[in-house]
Amino acid sequence: SQQGEEDPQALSIQEGENATMNCSYKTSINNLQWYRQNSGRGLVHLILIRSNEREKHSGRLRVTLDTSKKSSSLLITASRAADTASYFCATSTQGGSEKLVFGKGTKLTVNP
Amino acid sequence: GAVVSQHPSWVICKSGTSVKIECRSLDFQATTMFWYRQFPKQSLMLMATSNEGSKATYEQGVEKDKFLINHASLTLSTLTVTSAHPEDSSFYICSASLRPGWGGMAQPQHFGDGTRLSIL
Repeated sequence: SQQGEEDPQALSIQEGENATMNCSYKTSINNLQWYRQNSGRGLVHLILIRSNEREKHSGRLRVTLDTSKKSSSLLITASRAADTASYFCATSTQGGSEKLVFGKGTKLTVNP
Repeated sequence: GAVVSQHPSWVICKSGTSVKIECRSLDFQATTMFWYRQFPKQSLMLMATSNEGSKATYEQGVEKDKFLINHASLTLSTLTVTSAHPEDSSFYICSASLRPGWGGMAQPQHFGDGTRLSIL
């Protein structure tokens, strides 16, 4: 299985601090994606990083990918209470409309 | 853009009832839709891949006759939980992908808001 494994499982920080979540996977990938899920809701796509990319930014989000270590990290800078959610990494072995394998997620709590 | 609508958002019904969940891509055509199941505080488990105009591809351990999937158009896929029992109670989420980009480049999946199914 190439299921991603996030760590930590849970993270609690104060507003304004940075939050870093890590994801490891087992097999070669085409791309890795990060999603956010608010409690009881669907997932929101955050960033897709391809296997030939090392870093991507989107607003306050920064994602890195190290294919040699089969790991990725998601950094949220200057966190806000509204960032409170579960964050999942998901890997795909092929491009196109390929199924994703999700990790177990990190539950982030940002305290006001 | 890329909005996926899932309906209903919440279902409570008696054991033995069949329940249909709809997943629609509102502003794009989705050749492929995915159905996931999520237990409390756990990750998403892929149940099946739904391809427009063809049979769904089920993941290992998922009963095809229990979870019927129909993808009759490029904007609609349905999941029917047949003769539902309490152990089928769960959060079901669908997602849809845009067609692959140039050179088969990957597209993100866009998720519905999920359906919470409670079987009494």
